[in-house]
Amino acid sequence: GAVVSQHPSRVICKSGTSVKIECRSLDFQATTMFWYRQFPKKSLMLMATSNEGSKATYEQGVEKDKFLINHASLTLSTLTVTSAHPEDSSFYICSAPPQAGGRNEQFFGPGTRLTVL
Amino acid sequence: AQSVTQPDIHITVSEGASLELRCNYSYGATPYLFWYVQSPGQGLQLLLKYFSGDTLVQGIKGFEAEFKRSQSSFNLRKPSVHWSDAAEYFCAVGVKVMSNTGKLIFGQGTTLQVKP
Repeated sequence: GAVVSQHPSRVICKSGTSVKIECRSLDFQATTMFWYRQFPKKSLMLMATSNEGSKATYEQGVEKDKFLINHASLTLSTLTVTSAHPEDSSFYICSAPPQAGGRNEQFFGPGTRLTVL
Repeated sequence: AQSVTQPDIHITVSEGASLELRCNYSYGATPYLFWYVQSPGQGLQLLLKYFSGDTLVQGIKGFEAEFKRSQSSFNLRKPSVHWSDAAEYFCAVGVKVMSNTGKLIFGQGTTLQVKP
């Protein structure tokens, strides 16, 4: 099946710094990618839809200036957590649909564990 | 509004016993339905999906799910659970946002514990 990778898998940073997380589709092109946040023992919360060649679409309540998304190519989307604070600590997961539409199945990356000290 | 409900937050079954995880959805159009499994600290793996056709779908690892439109349900089943099935299970519905885009809405998840 289609493969989605994330880098890094784990990152620890100091409060106030910015952290970039990469999401790559390895064997297919993705005009759309999705970014989720997952708290312990909780479901996935969709943060934003990353669109190649245009601005990301953010879900209600998600600060777009805090969570910068750039869809640099058909295989790469990045999420930058700016001026990170301890409350931003979480598990961030990206996904991509191998077929256009997004309503179809998505393939998920392995996730990135962010810890802000 | 679209939503997915997994009524059981935590289920414990004995190894070798049968399993059923419940999922109910709310969506006005024909649903695209999915079950994903997540092992600790990992991403999500697709178990099975329903788009149309036969309402009983087979997935990987011996799982199956049945779509029942009248009950707005898509319950996941396995006849004999293995210890390696212990994980978090998520039901999701694919919804259309615009003509060429959509997204997945997830249920709260069910934690499966398997007793030896």
